[in-house]
Amino acid sequence: NAGVTQTPKFQVLKTGQSMTLQCAQDMNHEYMSWYRQDPGMGLRLIHYSVGAGITDQGEVPNGYNVSRSTTEDFPLRLLSAAPSQTSVYFCASSPGPQGTEAFFGQGTRLTVV
Amino acid sequence: GEDVEQSLFLSVREGDSSVINCTYTDSSSTYLYWYKQEPGAGLQLLTYIFSNMDMKQDQRLTVLLNKKDKHLSLRIADTQTGDSAIYFCAEKERGKLIFGQGTELSVKP
Repeated sequence: NAGVTQTPKFQVLKTGQSMTLQCAQDMNHEYMSWYRQDPGMGLRLIHYSVGAGITDQGEVPNGYNVSRSTTEDFPLRLLSAAPSQTSVYFCASSPGPQGTEAFFGQGTRLTVV
Repeated sequence: GEDVEQSLFLSVREGDSSVINCTYTDSSSTYLYWYKQEPGAGLQLLTYIFSNMDMKQDQRLTVLLNKKDKHLSLRIADTQTGDSAIYFCAEKERGKLIFGQGTELSVKP
């Protein structure tokens, strides 16, 4: 049972570089989300998607892009990395708005130098 | 607006009960959740409660919900060193999970 798979687990970027964090789920879930976790701030929602072809902004969307061309995949793109984007990123999926559980990936630890 | 608040730290002795508190602002939340995060890992759902319930018990875990005060608590009975982790409460609003800052529980032997 793969669940939610995030790659890579660790990444170091230089300021100004771009990259894509990958997220895939094999549970046919409609809802997928990206969060960032910073000390003392909990998890903050970056972007989310309620189904293929539909995305929306969360609390902290600036500097990030997403797309949802398939149900399974929800990549997060950093357009021009900044040190303020150093964080741990989590992808989550859930069956739908009334689903009782969100399943989380193991996280991607990103450092921007 | 959406806001979920938790205290940041809690320290207890092994065998004692732990009570982690949370306040939220969205009175229309249908579900309220407790997640556990162990070091270096993702979040795992511990338990949840429907908004029309006052209490839910699941083995060593008891969730209390006071809708009037918008207050949620998680009680862990007979706390063990393996319970040391960060505990997040969360509310679901229009399909989005809104998390508190997380409470770091430290269990001393």
